[in-house]
Amino acid sequence: AQTVTQSQPEMSVQEAETVTLSCTYDTSESDYYLFWYKQPPSRQMILVIRQEAYKQQNATENRFSVNFQKAAKSFSLKISDSQLGDAAMYFCAYRGSNNAGNNRKLIWGLGTSLAVNP
Amino acid sequence: DAGVTQSPTHLIKTRGQQVTLRCSPKSGHDTVSWYQQALGQGPQFIFQYYEEEERQRGNFPDRFSGHQFPNYSSELNVNALLLGDSALYLCASSLSRYNQPQHFGDGTRLSIL
Repeated sequence: AQTVTQSQPEMSVQEAETVTLSCTYDTSESDYYLFWYKQPPSRQMILVIRQEAYKQQNATENRFSVNFQKAAKSFSLKISDSQLGDAAMYFCAYRGSNNAGNNRKLIWGLGTSLAVNP
Repeated sequence: DAGVTQSPTHLIKTRGQQVTLRCSPKSGHDTVSWYQQALGQGPQFIFQYYEEEERQRGNFPDRFSGHQFPNYSSELNVNALLLGDSALYLCASSLSRYNQPQHFGDGTRLSIL
């Protein structure tokens, strides 16, 4: 069974600085997707960035980028130029890419609470 | 273009009661997944519906059941409520083809007294 581990329950960063959130996962599959979702106090789970395992290039979305290390099964999120609005819970999630059987559900880590200090 | 909408926002029930939560998917999406998120935890997959059928189910008892309607909207029903069912229930919709990411609603906060 696949698992996702986020070892940092809480992180903090100064406004305008850079912070990296860690995520490791375990799977025997070769093709899959990895996601970072943000959940502010408003509760809505918002997709931040996604990475397809077959792509070697790390995904980027504006100030958000990932460091995807497939062999190490590591998928960290880097937030550059942190803003007050980035404060939220961040969840790392895994999903197999095959559209059959167990590969449709998202498997989640426990989350990292990010505080942004002014 | 409306995103995923869930109702109600918050619900208070007592043990043993039954509850129905509702979800309308994002326009153009045909698949609905339900997740339970206990306080301080990551979401746990309950089940997924596609073409009005339950396509996959997580490790939840039969007290949790669902339905998908022809317009792709969905309901989550929970019978014989337990204190442990208190959680945020998230609905996510997606397009079944092309491995598209799931889009989430704001959730329904269910409190069991």
